Amino acid sequence: NAGVTQTPKFRVLKTGQSMTLLCAQDMNHEYMYWYRQDPGMGLRLIHYSVGEGTTAKGEVPDGYNVSRLKKQNFLLGLESAAPSQTSVYFCASSSLQTGETGELFFGEGSRLTVL
Amino acid sequence: GQNIDQPTEMTATEGAIVQINCTYQTSGFNGLFWYQQHAGEAPTFLSYNVLDGLEEKGRFSSFLSRSKGYSYLLLKELQMKDSASYLCAGMDSNYQLIWGAGTKLIIKP
Repeated sequence: NAGVTQTPKFRVLKTGQSMTLLCAQDMNHEYMYWYRQDPGMGLRLIHYSVGEGTTAKGEVPDGYNVSRLKKQNFLLGLESAAPSQTSVYFCASSSLQTGETGELFFGEGSRLTVL
Repeated sequence: GQNIDQPTEMTATEGAIVQINCTYQTSGFNGLFWYQQHAGEAPTFLSYNVLDGLEEKGRFSSFLSRSKGYSYLLLKELQMKDSASYLCAGMDSNYQLIWGAGTKLIIKP
């Protein structure tokens, strides 16, 4: 069972470059999320989606864009990377039911460094 | 504002019991969650409490007091593989999770 898969796992960017992180889930989940995790801080929600074709802003959306063209995929884009976006990015998904009980299924993370 | 507080780091001995505390302040309340995260890995779900009391799941138990805005995760018969960070998260009235920074648990032989 693949679960939630993120690509790439590691990436180094120069300031101003753009990139896209891909998240794919095979559990037919409605809800998908992008979080960032920084040392000494809790997970912070960037954007989320409650279904195919819908997206919404989370706590820290600035500098990021997302798209959910297919139910199984959730893409996170960095338009013009900045050093402050150096972080570990986690994608997660949940079904309609578990979205209300908090059980998220996470990908393995994507470590992004912006120089 | 919304806030989750938990200790940054704790140390315990293999075979012992450890209690990790969490206090929360959320706009509305739809549950308190604990996740385990090994270094370099993804968080994995451990427990969910929405009513007061203790929920037991094998060696792990989680307690909630809504009147005190307080929860704890109790780990018994500690094993070396329990060395990880434990994340506390509260769910607010919009069903959004508010995460603590995590408690790094170090297990010594």
